[in-house]
Amino acid sequence: EMQVVESGGGLVQPGGSLRLSCAASGFTFSNSAMSWVRQAPGKGLEWVSAVSGSGSRTYYADSVRGRFTISRDNSKNTLYLQMSSLSVEDSAVYYCTKSPIVGTTRAHGMDVWGQGTTLIVSS
Amino acid sequence: DIQMTQSPSSLSASVGDTVTITCRASQAISTYLSWYQQKPGRAPNLLIYAASTLQSGVPSRFSGSGSGTDFTLSISNLQPEDFATYHCQQTNSVPFTFGPGTKVDLK
Repeated sequence: EMQVVESGGGLVQPGGSLRLSCAASGFTFSNSAMSWVRQAPGKGLEWVSAVSGSGSRTYYADSVRGRFTISRDNSKNTLYLQMSSLSVEDSAVYYCTKSPIVGTTRAHGMDVWGQGTTLIVSS
Repeated sequence: DIQMTQSPSSLSASVGDTVTITCRASQAISTYLSWYQQKPGRAPNLLIYAASTLQSGVPSRFSGSGSGTDFTLSISNLQPEDFATYHCQQTNSVPFTFGPGTKVDLK
């Protein structure tokens, strides 16, 4: 069974930093592009960032570019999101997803989602 | 960036009804369109990808259509477990934007 499990969420003060992790299993992680998607309380879904299977290509939403860094360790089947200069607007549930991003396979959508990890930015 | 809109933002329906949700892209996205179902407190679940292809395990009462800028999700014979929020997403180009969602609740 394909599965991803997020961790690392918590309470952070404005201006602080945090790193999220996502452990993957049940599929060939190194061949799979991955994304982070977030959802603020009572709001819709917002795509945040993506990384290619090799980790060589990364993509960011304008709202996080320069503050967030996506990375992966294929030897550990783990995806990361390093977040800095956090603001209250970053408070959300962060989901890790298996997410083709290039070629015609990007039509296949995000077929694996974790349960999410919650970030609260508050003083 | 490609903007996605959905209509209606919410609708009320009864078990057994057929409902249709519309998603529109601000520019042509071919068929790079997915639909997700999300229940409260849960992660989204992929229903349809490539505009009209049913994800494995999804009941056939769900169907999708469209290409270019206009897309629809239809749910026939609505079941109690279908009351949820539905999101469309374009994967034609980064950023992979989502629509604002359509909440389907019980009339």
